[in-house]
Amino acid sequence: GQQLNQSPQSMFIQEGEDVSMNCTSSSIFNTWLWYKQDPGEGPVLLIALYKAGELTSNGRLTAQFGITRKDSFLNISASIPSDVGIYFCAGQPPPNNAGNMLTFGGGTRLMVKP
Amino acid sequence: DGGITQSPKYLFRKEGQNVTLSCEQNLNHDAMYWYRQDPGQGLRLIYYSQIVNDFQKGDIAEGYSVSREKKESFPLTVTSAQKNPTAFYLCASNHQTFNEQFFGPGTRLTVL
Repeated sequence: GQQLNQSPQSMFIQEGEDVSMNCTSSSIFNTWLWYKQDPGEGPVLLIALYKAGELTSNGRLTAQFGITRKDSFLNISASIPSDVGIYFCAGQPPPNNAGNMLTFGGGTRLMVKP
Repeated sequence: DGGITQSPKYLFRKEGQNVTLSCEQNLNHDAMYWYRQDPGQGLRLIYYSQIVNDFQKGDIAEGYSVSREKKESFPLTVTSAQKNPTAFYLCASNHQTFNEQFFGPGTRLTVL
């Protein structure tokens, strides 16, 4: 299946710092989604992107749908301890018979030092 | 409250036993999915269903089975044929028109 390369795999930052992570693919996607997963819980949807070039914010989070449709970026400004968790990107390819299948990145584990 | 429920949260089974994980949603979503997550790993698709009485294999369906007799329910059975069943299992659903999948809280299965 399609692969999504998510980087970095992990980050250990100081509280108050900004965070950037990204996902890249060799294929184009129609939708990019960003999720956060707390330990032992299910992922929670943070931001959904539907259009190439789209820039969307959710509080301190900002995500962008890359112009080439093969990448997406998530930025977190002024990190706080509760930002700790694993962040996943997910992409949905152009319509096919397989339905609304998402391909997930491997995740970015964020650790915040108070 | 609308949402997706999975039960139980933790499940222990002896090797060689089949076990069924429950997933229920009251969001009126058409499609439902089962994913497996191993420590430090991303999500891998086991099975999905876009409509009642129909389901398709995902990337790692071997050793698993599902049913979709009702729109709101999509149980997953982990059979004894699954070589390494210990993992965190996540159920998700979405409306056919929208791509955002919403996840349940997960079931952690440990096979002893």
